[in-house]
Amino acid sequence: EPEVTQTPSHQVTQMGQEVILRCVPISNHLYFYWYRQILGQKVEFLVSFYNNEISEKSEIFDDQFSVERPDGSNFTLKIRSTKLEDSAMYFCASGGRGLAGYNEQFFGPGTRLTVL
Amino acid sequence: SQELEQSPQSLIVQEGKNLTINCTSSKTLYGLYWYKQKYGEGLIFLMMLQKGGEEKSHEKITAKLDEKKQQSSLHITASQPSHAGIYLCGADARGFGQGGKLIFGQGTELSVKP
Repeated sequence: EPEVTQTPSHQVTQMGQEVILRCVPISNHLYFYWYRQILGQKVEFLVSFYNNEISEKSEIFDDQFSVERPDGSNFTLKIRSTKLEDSAMYFCASGGRGLAGYNEQFFGPGTRLTVL
Repeated sequence: SQELEQSPQSLIVQEGKNLTINCTSSKTLYGLYWYKQKYGEGLIFLMMLQKGGEEKSHEKITAKLDEKKQQSSLHITASQPSHAGIYLCGADARGFGQGGKLIFGQGTELSVKP
């Protein structure tokens, strides 16, 4: 069964360093997303990506964040200068039209980012 | 903005018992998703509801969306230890089929005692 994969599973970085989180969405999906979950809090939306451009972004997704789909299969989230408060589990999701025409979203296993 | 409230926040049941988790929205639900999450892991898609009155089942888990499309319930029959985890409801904020972001409830943590 197709699934969303993410690497690395755990990333530890120093404050101020750049990190790139990688995702391989399900191959025939058209919509791509990043969400994050700070420990003990709700899963919150960061950004959605469709047709090679950002379709929506949250207030969290400021100039320090960027997304890219460099080669038609990978989908990356870059944080340019990490802060302590960026520590969270980051989930990639991809979506496609189900048989009934609605958008199903499937999530990857997550990357746990720890900023020291 | 749309808010989702789940109840209860946590639940401990004896193996074999039935249970229900509720998800209430402040606005009409255009697509209501149920996911299961094990602590520290990813979200596993369970099912998605879109029409008022719709009901779907997968093994011993049944989800319903009320006619007014503002409340959904997840019912587990004859619970097993494998059902333990955090159940999340999510709503498509813009309307189903449009690839919109999901807004999530805070989750319901289920423990099943053998």
